[in-house]
Amino acid sequence: GQQLNQSPQSMFIQEGEDVSMNCTSSSIFNTWLWYKQDPGEGPVLLIALYKAGELTSNGRLTAQFGITRKDSFLNISASIPSDVGIYFCAGRLLTSGSRLTFGEGTQLTVNP
Amino acid sequence: DSGVTQTPKHLITATGQRVTLRCSPRSGDLSVYWYQQSLDQGLQFLIQYYNGEERAKGNILERFSAQQFPDLHSELNLSSLELGDSALYFCATDSFFGQGTRLTVV
Repeated sequence: GQQLNQSPQSMFIQEGEDVSMNCTSSSIFNTWLWYKQDPGEGPVLLIALYKAGELTSNGRLTAQFGITRKDSFLNISASIPSDVGIYFCAGRLLTSGSRLTFGEGTQLTVNP
Repeated sequence: DSGVTQTPKHLITATGQRVTLRCSPRSGDLSVYWYQQSLDQGLQFLIQYYNGEERAKGNILERFSAQQFPDLHSELNLSSLELGDSALYFCATDSFFGQGTRLTVV
């Protein structure tokens, strides 16, 4: 069953606003990944995090690996229309080898 | 471009039929993972192969099977198809995903 809780499910924002989404779990993860998926396409890796407390940026995107290893957040600053899409968190459970467990996604809509 | 290639991109077939989805991983990648994404759902792990051998199994139905060949490409075989099998099927190597195969069962 689903072991990652991703929130919010959807967001409607104005261009230029900052966005924040997060994933939480009761289980411990040793890797956190954030993906963006456009309709009909495969998920594209945005940021990968490998250590508790790690804070990593990729352009306007910033993500952090929670210190408890049970959560992660993704921030998008100064959103633009092309940020529209579904954002997924994914993690590798300490007990499940290298396969990924996915959150349910956050649908982001950016109004120009 | 993730370097992971999946074919075909789209597939429409009837219930009860059997289909094969193909994946070519990035050069040098030994692992192949298969995931299923149903409408408005997150991705569910199906199965992993590493260097030709099954490494891990997830929520994969008995009607589904997979294999990885010596050249490291992989195939996912779906048989006795049902309407509920309609979904996007993705192949991935560690963190990188292919473009997916959209399967529609009618």
